[in-house]
Amino acid sequence: SAVISQKPSRDICQRGTSLTIQCQVDSQVTMMFWYRQQPGQSLTLIATANQGSEATYESGFVIDKFPISRPNLTFSTLTVSNMSPEDSSIYLCSVDRSGGADGYTFGSGTRLTVV
Amino acid sequence: AQRVTQPEKLLSVFKGAPVELKCNYSYSGSPELFWYVQYSRQRLQLLLRHISRESIKGFTADLNKGETSFHLKKPFAQEEDSAMYYCALKSGSARQLTFGSGTQLTVLP
Repeated sequence: SAVISQKPSRDICQRGTSLTIQCQVDSQVTMMFWYRQQPGQSLTLIATANQGSEATYESGFVIDKFPISRPNLTFSTLTVSNMSPEDSSIYLCSVDRSGGADGYTFGSGTRLTVV
Repeated sequence: AQRVTQPEKLLSVFKGAPVELKCNYSYSGSPELFWYVQYSRQRLQLLLRHISRESIKGFTADLNKGETSFHLKKPFAQEEDSAMYYCALKSGSARQLTFGSGTQLTVLP
């Protein structure tokens, strides 16, 4: 399965600022997914990032708040903009390299705390 | 829209006892179902998928389309099985996963 490097692993940020999370994959993948896991909750899909096109956002998530870049087939970033304490979560990237046949691989996550 | 339900947030069993983590889904098409596990301080990882009908670490899960269930079972739980378990569904057209709320399994000595 693919190996994903995600960073930072954690950060504490002031409200009103922005944080960019990076996800690097060791092989080319068509789609990359960004999830949020709020405290005590399950994983919720934020958006799907395709190389060469705009990301597709799920209901409740907008590009202005969570801009995504996908400059090539091995890298993506998610920015959490104008942060508030409600954005405190774990953010994870995920890839599906084999059409789901081998399951999905997840990054180690970014634990964000907004104060 | 698809939905995955894990009714038990917490589940405790004694070592050597059987364990069953419940998962029900709703989806109008033909689903692909997975179980993911997250051990303490480790990343989320795939445990098993229904299409392979495999047994991983002694765990099995059978897709029951009539009951729309994909329960995870192990006949003899071990302390190292203590972890958070997530049931997930991939719908036919979309490629993202829909996760259940997770079950925290604790295996007591």
